[in-house]
Amino acid sequence: GAVVSQHPSWVICKSGTSVKIECRSLDFQATTMFWYRQFPKQSLMLMATSNEGSKATYEQGVEKDKFLINHASLTLSTLTVTSAHPEDSSFYICSASTLEGEQFFGPGTRLTVL
Amino acid sequence: QKEVEQDPGPLSVPEGAIVSLNCTYSNSAFQYFMWYRQYSRKGPELLMYTYSSGNKEDGRFTAQVDKSSKYISLFIRDSQPSDSATYLCAMSEAGGGNKLTFGTGTQLKVEL
Repeated sequence: GAVVSQHPSWVICKSGTSVKIECRSLDFQATTMFWYRQFPKQSLMLMATSNEGSKATYEQGVEKDKFLINHASLTLSTLTVTSAHPEDSSFYICSASTLEGEQFFGPGTRLTVL
Repeated sequence: QKEVEQDPGPLSVPEGAIVSLNCTYSNSAFQYFMWYRQYSRKGPELLMYTYSSGNKEDGRFTAQVDKSSKYISLFIRDSQPSDSATYLCAMSEAGGGNKLTFGTGTQLKVEL
């Protein structure tokens, strides 16, 4: 299957700082990428859909000014958690979609906000 | 009622057993069906991807889709301890970048 990478794999930051997470499709071009959040023992919660060259579409209840998404190229999308607080601590996972509709996930980024 | 229902388990089986995992759904517009495996603290790994009704086999895995019953299954033959993970079903109305609707995941443990 196709490979999607995420960086960093884990990050610890102080409350009030911003954190950027990168998602890259390594061996295919992805016009659409997705950002998810997952709490322990729960399923994935879709945060936003990111299309290359256009503004992201956010799910209901997700603050677009807090979770900034940029999809600058067909292989890179970034999620920036601005002014992070302890309640933003979570496992963030991206996925990239092929033209055929298969979605491949990155390994995830564990964010801890102190 | 959730759009996709999946028994959370946990499901415990002995090594070598055949495992059956299932999901039901309510949205008749779903056309694409997927099964993912997720190990703890890792991203989901795509196991099977099918379109519409029918069967698909890949190694020890077989996916079945019955759209008339709105029911999908994943069978794992000759289960191994390394198969112990959470299995998520997912589905979408269209391919090519359409968002997925996930089940809650079934936790599977294969014991020696």
